[in-house]
Amino acid sequence: KNQVEQSPQSLIILEGKNCTLQCNYTVSPFSNLRWYKQDTGRGPVSLTIMTFSENTKSNGRYTATLDADTKQSSLHITASQLSDSASYICVVSPNYGGATNKLIFGTGTLLAVQP
Amino acid sequence: DAGVIQSPRHEVTEMGQEVTLRCKPISGHDYLFWYRQTMMRGLELLIYFNNNVPIDDSGMPEDRFSAKMPNASFSTLKIQPSEPRDSAVYFCASRSQEGSGNTIYFGEGSWLTVV
Repeated sequence: KNQVEQSPQSLIILEGKNCTLQCNYTVSPFSNLRWYKQDTGRGPVSLTIMTFSENTKSNGRYTATLDADTKQSSLHITASQLSDSASYICVVSPNYGGATNKLIFGTGTLLAVQP
Repeated sequence: DAGVIQSPRHEVTEMGQEVTLRCKPISGHDYLFWYRQTMMRGLELLIYFNNNVPIDDSGMPEDRFSAKMPNASFSTLKIQPSEPRDSAVYFCASRSQEGSGNTIYFGEGSWLTVV
């Protein structure tokens, strides 16, 4: 079964600190891997999209990495801010049998940034 | 652009009642998706349309759920009759045709509570 697993489930850090969120997936073959940020009570917002051939993608203080060999991705947040408090969701798009649009979502990592 | 617009934002209804959720995708987008999000199962794809045509509805839980897209700027998700286990956040999302890696934009969701 294709799965996307994220760790940790939740994380608390102090404002200004860095953190790294992990994503392991078994989806194969895959077209791309995405990271979304979801604020409480809002819809998910895209942070990064990486194809299978890309190793890293940055968006401001957010940097995603991808190792297609080990089927792992990480999202690194630098100099965290209170507004980074949200759920971060790893999403994989399969690349087989017309399933490209049937994204597979992880259950997310809930990040709390404290002052 | 106003983004993906969903209505209602919140709805509380009694079991057995009909529920209709509405979505206006981003203008020019060719794909429209309906997702459901719960604490237990995370985000799940219910159905998606391409150029107003339903492509894959394998995620629709049962016959009580139906979705339509009468034109490029409007879609509905209907639940009839509703049950308490349908309580969830329902997201509509859209993306453009060009490239499978294009960003998928989510609406703010419709929070449904069936009592």
